[in-house]
Amino acid sequence: AQKVTQAQTEISVVEKEDVTLDCVYETRDTTYYLFWYKQPPSGELVFLIRRNSFDEQNEISGRYSWNFQKSTSSFNFTITASQVVDSAVYFCALSEAYQRARQLTFGSGTQLTVLP
Amino acid sequence: DTGVSQNPRHKITKRGQNVTFRCDPISEHNRLYWYRQTLGQGPEFLTYFQNEAQLEKSRLLSDRFSAERPKGSFSTLEIQRTEQGDSAMYLCASGTYEQYFGPGTRLTVT
Repeated sequence: AQKVTQAQTEISVVEKEDVTLDCVYETRDTTYYLFWYKQPPSGELVFLIRRNSFDEQNEISGRYSWNFQKSTSSFNFTITASQVVDSAVYFCALSEAYQRARQLTFGSGTQLTVLP
Repeated sequence: DTGVSQNPRHKITKRGQNVTFRCDPISEHNRLYWYRQTLGQGPEFLTYFQNEAQLEKSRLLSDRFSAERPKGSFSTLEIQRTEQGDSAMYLCASGTYEQYFGPGTRLTVT
């Protein structure tokens, strides 16, 4: 069965620091998809990125970057020059291609607090 | 594109009552999902619709829960004979490869 582990429950940084959120996943499927979502205090989950298992290229979007390493089953998320507005709970998630629903299996989330 | 909407946003009910939630997905999405999120946890999958067909149900979905998606548009999730353990945020999502979430309905069972 699939599993996503986010070992960091809470992280606190000072504004402008870089921060990396860790995500480790388990799956027996060879084709799968990895996601990151942001859940700010307002509560609505915001989609950030999707990667498929065949594409290990790292991705950068503004201050956000993602490092996907199949060898270590990790999909880590880095925020560069953090800002107070980045404070939120961040979830890593996995879906498997063989599942008809392709439902998301989420980790337990990392609460990021960026202090001014 | 108005996004996924859910109603009501909050619901307080007494144990034993029935409740119904509504989800309006993004109009062009034929895939619709329901998830449940409890405090401090990630969302957990409940059920999946492709158009009007309910194709997948989690074992979390007890027989007190029922979901429908008539005509493949909006969806409803009903909980009968609510229990305190049903208190949670109920999230709806729609999409293709990515899932876009609504704001959720927070249920409190007293």
